[in-house]
Amino acid sequence: GNSVTQMEGPVTLSEEAFLTINCTYTATGYPSLFWYVQYPGEGLQLLLKATKADDKGSNKGFEATYRKETTSFHLEKGSVQVSDSAVYFCALSASPRNEKLTFGTGTRLTIIP
Amino acid sequence: DTGVSQDPRHKITKRGQNVTFRCDPISEHNRLYWYRQTLGQGPEFLTYFQNEAQLEKSRLLSDRFSAERPKGSFSTLEIQRTEQGDSAMYLCASSPAFVANYGYTFGSGTRLTVV
Repeated sequence: GNSVTQMEGPVTLSEEAFLTINCTYTATGYPSLFWYVQYPGEGLQLLLKATKADDKGSNKGFEATYRKETTSFHLEKGSVQVSDSAVYFCALSASPRNEKLTFGTGTRLTIIP
Repeated sequence: DTGVSQDPRHKITKRGQNVTFRCDPISEHNRLYWYRQTLGQGPEFLTYFQNEAQLEKSRLLSDRFSAERPKGSFSTLEIQRTEQGDSAMYLCASSPAFVANYGYTFGSGTRLTVV
């Protein structure tokens, strides 16, 4: 079956540090890949997505590249801010038809000033 | 549009009681999804609808769980004879069926505590 494995948290960084959150997946075929973010007290929000190999998704300074050869979709940001403190979820969809998403366990990120 | 709305935000119930949650999706979205999220875990798929048709149910959705979307608009999720293991955040999301790779728009969830 499909699965997503995320880097164990929690992750604590200082403001302006470089961020990487690792995500690898197992899926048949050509899944679409997503990063969602959950800020304290809020619902999950789509952060970025990539739908085919070598695509790069980007939003709010975050980036992730779909690497089929390593089955990875690592999330990166060059300089984090306190407002980036949240839980980040990697997810995949086995088809582009907006059927079910399979999520990783989430990585809690805390940025200290 | 105000996004995906879920009601109530919090529910505390005694073991053995029945509970019902409501989800109002974005009006032009014909797909509606229910997920469950326990502490420290990612959301787990329960079921989804396209319009009023329930297209898939997870094995997580035991006989005590039932979901409906009678007119293809709002949806309800009922849990009968609640157990402590049902304590979780129940998330609803919606999407258009025919916009490829849309992802979902999530509601803020209903937190259920079974005591």
